[in-house]
Amino acid sequence: QSALTQPASVSGSPGQSITISCTGTDTDIGSAYNRVSWYQQHPGKAPKLIIYDVTNRPSGISNRFSGSKSGNTASLTISGLQAADEANYFCTSYTTTNFFYVFGTGTEVSV
Amino acid sequence: EVQLEESGGGLVQPGGSLRLSCTASGFTFSSYEMNWLRQAPGKGLEYVSYIRENGEWEHHADSVKGRFSISRDNSKNTVDLQMNSLTVEDTAVYYCARKRLGTTYFDYWGPGTLVTVSS
Repeated sequence: QSALTQPASVSGSPGQSITISCTGTDTDIGSAYNRVSWYQQHPGKAPKLIIYDVTNRPSGISNRFSGSKSGNTASLTISGLQAADEANYFCTSYTTTNFFYVFGTGTEVSV
Repeated sequence: EVQLEESGGGLVQPGGSLRLSCTASGFTFSSYEMNWLRQAPGKGLEYVSYIRENGEWEHHADSVKGRFSISRDNSKNTVDLQMNSLTVEDTAVYYCARKRLGTTYFDYWGPGTLVTVSS
């Protein structure tokens, strides 16, 4: 399964906003299903769901995290950057290729 | 509090077998699909296997089909991944994650267990 493309790293200063892109194809991110999710993972810890179905935040997730999609690219924006946001972020999408899931290559965020 | 805890990882020789287990707590286990995913060193995540809530249907990635099997015991809140004919390419951190039927995201994950296939 081909991976979704993310930048290897993104950095920002405290209080700033950053955006992480996740590029796929017509059969995953670009499909009509709008089934893109984002996860935050600190070293040695379990991944944590922060965005689902492109734009939705699970209960308890800060509104500093927001998601969007345009064409074959999904984006995660973190506003009001904090030191605690330093982590690896990866996207995933349902794919109509095999009705399974494809994952992003991961982006290290440094603050 | 929802908790998932993987166990059973370790060092195994190529061609060998290993059985991973994931123990769940804090939710109604039988209401969720359970999934195994993995991340090889320096690589992205890969979806491995999943099993429906009642255990009557399972699906595996092409890379493990015929070698891995998945099972669950809803009375013990556990889901197992039996891995046979292991190769060095199976070296990875293996995660279990839950997913509700009809959704396409994994809302809780375990911390993972490392499987190393090496001679």
